[in-house]
Amino acid sequence: SYEVTQPPSVSVSPGQTATITCSGQSLGDKYVSWYQQQPGQSPVLVLYRDTERPSGIPQRFYGSNSGNTATLTISGAHTTDEADYFCQAWDSSTALVVFGGGTKLTVL
Amino acid sequence: EVQLVESGGDLVQPGGPLRLSCAAYQFIFPDYWMSWVRQAPGKGLEWVASINEDGTEKYYVDSVKGRFSISRDNADHSVSLQINNVRDEDTAVYYCVRVHRRAFDIWGQGTLVTVSS
Repeated sequence: SYEVTQPPSVSVSPGQTATITCSGQSLGDKYVSWYQQQPGQSPVLVLYRDTERPSGIPQRFYGSNSGNTATLTISGAHTTDEADYFCQAWDSSTALVVFGGGTKLTVL
Repeated sequence: EVQLVESGGDLVQPGGPLRLSCAAYQFIFPDYWMSWVRQAPGKGLEWVASINEDGTEKYYVDSVKGRFSISRDNADHSVSLQINNVRDEDTAVYYCVRVHRRAFDIWGQGTLVTVSS
């Protein structure tokens, strides 16, 4: 079965750029979305179709997807960005969905 | 406000059945695929099942095939997940989610399923 892999944790200082990767075989051929989950809350969509931001998501969140790796970048990270982040791949040919294991972002 | 509200989570014994429901508000429900995603305590997200706009296509993660069944009622703006023969590993918060452009753009607050004897 298809799998995507994320680093368990990433740490940055406030104002720095945070980069979270998501790796999978030929991931660049699939649409990737990213979700932010604060403790005790439901996940929130922050990027879809690799690079698109839903309304209300700050411009400091942006993404890319090529080859075997998709990337979520948060430029000028805020302490409020501290959360778990999950990537998700959608296989258009099968409609099957897979999530990465999640990355805990610490902004400290 | 666009909203999804789940219900039906409960403490259930192994081997028993459970039905989760989700009510959708303030969007054109028949225009969207719907899905269920679960999260075991302290763990990550796991996609469980999806259903297309008219209910003719259904997809499941391998680990639940044959035990879970997703359905929808477009007249009632609701989607359901029937869980049969529940197992310990089904313990999780179950989220009802709307699918838009191959992403889950609206999430419910979740309903907790606990499997225990």
